Amino acid sequence: AQSVTQLGSHVSVSEGALVLLRCNYSSSVPPYLFWYVQYPNQGLQLLLKYTSAATLVKGINGFEAEFKKSETSFHLTKPSAHMSDAAEYFCAVSDQGFGNEKLTFGTGTRLTIIP
Amino acid sequence: DGGITQSPKYLFRKEGQNVTLSCEQNLNHDAMYWYRQDPGQGLRLIYYSQIVNDFQKGDIAEGYSVSREKKESFPLTVTSAQKNPTAFYLCASSILGTDTQYFGPGTRLTVL
Repeated sequence: AQSVTQLGSHVSVSEGALVLLRCNYSSSVPPYLFWYVQYPNQGLQLLLKYTSAATLVKGINGFEAEFKKSETSFHLTKPSAHMSDAAEYFCAVSDQGFGNEKLTFGTGTRLTIIP
Repeated sequence: DGGITQSPKYLFRKEGQNVTLSCEQNLNHDAMYWYRQDPGQGLRLIYYSQIVNDFQKGDIAEGYSVSREKKESFPLTVTSAQKNPTAFYLCASSILGTDTQYFGPGTRLTVL
């Protein structure tokens, strides 16, 4: 069964600093990987997804993530944090394959931006 | 506008009462999902459905029931058998054969 581990339940960065949110996955088959963002009391919004086309994936709001098979990682980065980035971020994994669309989510990382 | 709607946004119920959460989508997606979110635990899958009149249990189905009579609708009933129903409930949908799920705004259920 697939799983994801998000290191750090809370991350704080200064406005303008680099954002790095960590995600490591475990999967028995080549995975699809996702990052979602959740603002308070709202649903989840897709930031970006990896589906084996390119290892560096660019998403919305200036975020990007790099798939590293050797490290089983899919860390999320943004060069310069903005106050509006304060939210909770979830990494998720699914097994590729028609008919198996279940996602397994990590426990989330709450990002705080310090003015 | 296409999207997923969940109603109500906040719901309060007394202990021992069944309650039904609504989820409707106009995206023409085949698959729909229900998740439960608790602080520090991420999202856990309750039930999912890939076609009308068919659904499968997720990881934490005990104390919940669903129906899928129409493609657009996937209501979730939280029964009195659910020991700790207070949580944030999220509905999602996807195109069959893809892995990208789109989420509704959620319903926060509080059992008093």
